[in-house]
Amino acid sequence: SYVLTQPPSVSVAPGKTARITCGGNNIGSKSVHWYQQKPGQAPVLVVYDDSDRPSGIPERFSGSNSGNTATLTISRVEAGDEADYYCQVWDSSSDHRVFGGGTKLTVL
Amino acid sequence: QVQLVQSGAEVKKPGSSVKVSCKASGGTFSSYAISWVRQAPGQGLEWMGGIIPIFGTANYAQKFQGRVTITADESTSTAYMELSSLRSEDTAVYYCARGRRSLYDSSGYSARDAFDIWGQGTMVTVSS
Repeated sequence: SYVLTQPPSVSVAPGKTARITCGGNNIGSKSVHWYQQKPGQAPVLVVYDDSDRPSGIPERFSGSNSGNTATLTISRVEAGDEADYYCQVWDSSSDHRVFGGGTKLTVL
Repeated sequence: QVQLVQSGAEVKKPGSSVKVSCKASGGTFSSYAISWVRQAPGQGLEWMGGIIPIFGTANYAQKFQGRVTITADESTSTAYMELSSLRSEDTAVYYCARGRRSLYDSSGYSARDAFDIWGQGTMVTVSS
């Protein structure tokens, strides 16, 4: 089955840029989605199809995907961005959705 | 604005079954894919399976094959997830989530679509 690998944690100072990676075999050929989850809340879609943003998501959230790594970039990080972030793809070989293990973003 | 409203928390005995509901309000239901995702305490998100109500056929993650049944009732715009032979490891929050595009979207439905709307989650506790 297809595996997505994320770093368990990323730390960043307020106002700086956070980059969260999601690794997978030839992930560049897939559409990658990113979700933000705050404690006690349901996940929220922040980036879909590698780099598109749903309405209401700040432009500070952006995504890229190439080769074996997809990246969620959060610019000008704010305290309110502190959350767990998950990447997700559809594995066509199994017709299954797959999530990465999640990354805890800490704002210092 | 479409909302997915899930049924309330459940406490179950090991070996029993649980059925969680997910009712869509404020929009179309039948032509959107609905998936079920669970999250054990302190753990990540895990996809369990999904269904497109208008087709009625569900697709399950291999891990849950034989133990999970996902159904949908178009007349009430409600999807259901039933998990049987419960064990303590099934203690988790269970979410339903909707695929971003409908079968009739002008840009075309795709199985690779993201989940853009989530239910509030249902806590299922399995304990003797």
